[in-house]
Amino acid sequence: EVQLVESGGGLVQPGRSLKLSCAASGFTFSNYYMAWVRQAPKKGLEWVATISTSGSRTYYPDSVKGRFTISRDNAKSSLYLQMNSLKSEDTATYYCARAIAAIPRYYFDYWGQGVMVTVSS
Amino acid sequence: EIVLTQSPTTMTASPGEKVTITCRASSSVSYMHWYQQKPGASPKPWIYETSKLASGVPDRFSGSGSGTSYSLTINNMEAEDAATYYCQQWNYPSITFGSGTKLEIK
Repeated sequence: EVQLVESGGGLVQPGRSLKLSCAASGFTFSNYYMAWVRQAPKKGLEWVATISTSGSRTYYPDSVKGRFTISRDNAKSSLYLQMNSLKSEDTATYYCARAIAAIPRYYFDYWGQGVMVTVSS
Repeated sequence: EIVLTQSPTTMTASPGEKVTITCRASSSVSYMHWYQQKPGASPKPWIYETSKLASGVPDRFSGSGSGTSYSLTINNMEAEDAATYYCQQWNYPSITFGSGTKLEIK
């Protein structure tokens, strides 16, 4: 059974940093692109970052580019999101998601339960 | 960046009714994917590659479309279908979601 379990969320002050983790199991982690998707309270879904199977390629929307860094450790089947210079608008539930990246087919077939990040003073 | 516009934003349907949710893209995309999300839960893949049902999705659901116009249809609405539905596309290098359609049961 595929499982994605996020951790590392919490309350953080504006301008500070936080690192999220996602522990994957039930599949060969190194074979899949992975991503982070977030959802602000009562709002829609927003893609945050994508990483290739080896970790050599990463992609971000402009809203987080230069502040967030996605990484992975295939030996540990783990995905990470380093978030720096956090802003109040980064407050959201962050989901780890497995991607099916058979370009141009690209979608998320498994999602974690999500972890809440609150940016507030 | 391709913008996805979903309509309607919210809707109410009666049991047995046919429901259609539309997703329009600001530029042509190759495929559209759909997710279902219920309150307090993670999104679930629902329809992928425009028209393929994810595992466990009832066959009263269907997806169609091409270019800039896509839709999700429910034949014979049931109470368990009440949820928010999001469309999603990929256009190198970015991924965008629609703003969601909240579907309620009457």
